[in-house]
Amino acid sequence: DTGVSQDPRHKITKRGQNVTFRCDPISEHNRLYWYRQTLGQGPEFLTYFQNEAQLEKSRLLSDRFSAERPKGSFSTLEIQRTEQGDSAMYLCASSPQPGQGGHPISYEQYFGPGTRLTVT
Amino acid sequence: AQSVSQHNHHVILSEAASLELGCNYSYGGTVNLFWYVQYPGQHLQLLLKYFSGDPLVKGIKGFEAEFIKSKFSFNLRKPSVQWSDTAEYFCAVNADTGFQKLVFGTGTRLLVSP
Repeated sequence: DTGVSQDPRHKITKRGQNVTFRCDPISEHNRLYWYRQTLGQGPEFLTYFQNEAQLEKSRLLSDRFSAERPKGSFSTLEIQRTEQGDSAMYLCASSPQPGQGGHPISYEQYFGPGTRLTVT
Repeated sequence: AQSVSQHNHHVILSEAASLELGCNYSYGGTVNLFWYVQYPGQHLQLLLKYFSGDPLVKGIKGFEAEFIKSKFSFNLRKPSVQWSDTAEYFCAVNADTGFQKLVFGTGTRLLVSP
């Protein structure tokens, strides 16, 4: 039973550089979420995909952030021109469509280990 | 907008002590409620969840939570904690609208001393 995986686990970059993170959800899950977590806070929602369609974006997701899920499987989150304020843990989660594949209506999200970004 | 408040930021208990962590949310409609746990060095894991039915829900590792709709609360309890319960606990809510964004509280860091 493979869970949600994220790559890389850690990323250190200099301010102004671009970074890209990858998330591989649980294979049968068609919903995928990105969250950001800073020290002392709970995860904050960034964006949501259902299959390949990006259906919701938080106002936290500035123009420097872009996310894709081109084939409805893995997803990437890119941050352009990184700033020190972007330093955080970036979490990916996935969930099945309620009722999909016999899943009960559970709405449970399964989280990956996260990518810790440090901008110097 | 939905929000979640966790009243205790840090809790220190001795083994075998009872635990109750507070969680209140603000949203007037139907909600789904969750407690997630993050053990040191591990990723977020679901502890328990409430969607409907019996407001007292039981989760893994002896945890339970009670949904009190009139108080907009979903407090987490465990009668006797163990050292292995040392972790950070997050309460989360989403509105039952089909779009399942989770709104998290700030978390409670629990330290259980042996």
